[in-house]
Amino acid sequence: AQTVTQSQPEMSVQEAETVTLSCTYDTSESDYYLFWYKQPPSRQMILVIRQEAYKQQNATENRFSVNFQKAAKSFSLKISDSQLGDAAMYFCAYRSPYSGGSNYKLTFGKGTLLTVNP
Amino acid sequence: EAQVTQNPRYLITVTGKKLTVTCSQNMNHEYMSWYRQDPGLGLRQIYYSMNVEVTDKGDVPEGYKVSRKEKRNFPLILESPSPNQTSLYFCASSPEGVSRSYEQYFGPGTRLTVT
Repeated sequence: AQTVTQSQPEMSVQEAETVTLSCTYDTSESDYYLFWYKQPPSRQMILVIRQEAYKQQNATENRFSVNFQKAAKSFSLKISDSQLGDAAMYFCAYRSPYSGGSNYKLTFGKGTLLTVNP
Repeated sequence: EAQVTQNPRYLITVTGKKLTVTCSQNMNHEYMSWYRQDPGLGLRQIYYSMNVEVTDKGDVPEGYKVSRKEKRNFPLILESPSPNQTSLYFCASSPEGVSRSYEQYFGPGTRLTVT
């Protein structure tokens, strides 16, 4: 079974600075999908960024980018120019690409609570 | 607007009183799923459904039931709630088999407290 580990329960960053959230995962599959979800105080789950394991290029979405190290099974999220609205719980998640109901499940880490200081 | 809706958003109930949390999506998605979120544990899958009348257990199914009689609806049923089911519940849907985006769309969450 796949596991996802987020080793930082809490992180803080100054507004306009850069912060990196860590995520490692364990899988025997060679292809898979990785996600970062943001959960603000409203509790809504918002997809931040997605990475397909077969793509060597790191995904980017505006101020959000990932550092995907497949051999190390590491998938960190970098937030540049942090804004007050970035304050949230961030979850790393894994998904198998294969067909079949149980493969469609998202396996989540325990989350990292990000505080942004003005 | 494409969305997943859940009702109620907040619910306080007592042990043993049957309840249903509704979930509906308007995106014609085949795959729907329920997760529970607990502090320090992240989100864990309770049940999922591949299509109408096709459901299966996730990682933490004990104490829950589901049904999928219509494609758009996937209610979560707690026939005899207990305090350990106090949690934040999310419904999610995904266009498996139609789109390969692999993104799951989440509802707004239901905060359930069982006393």
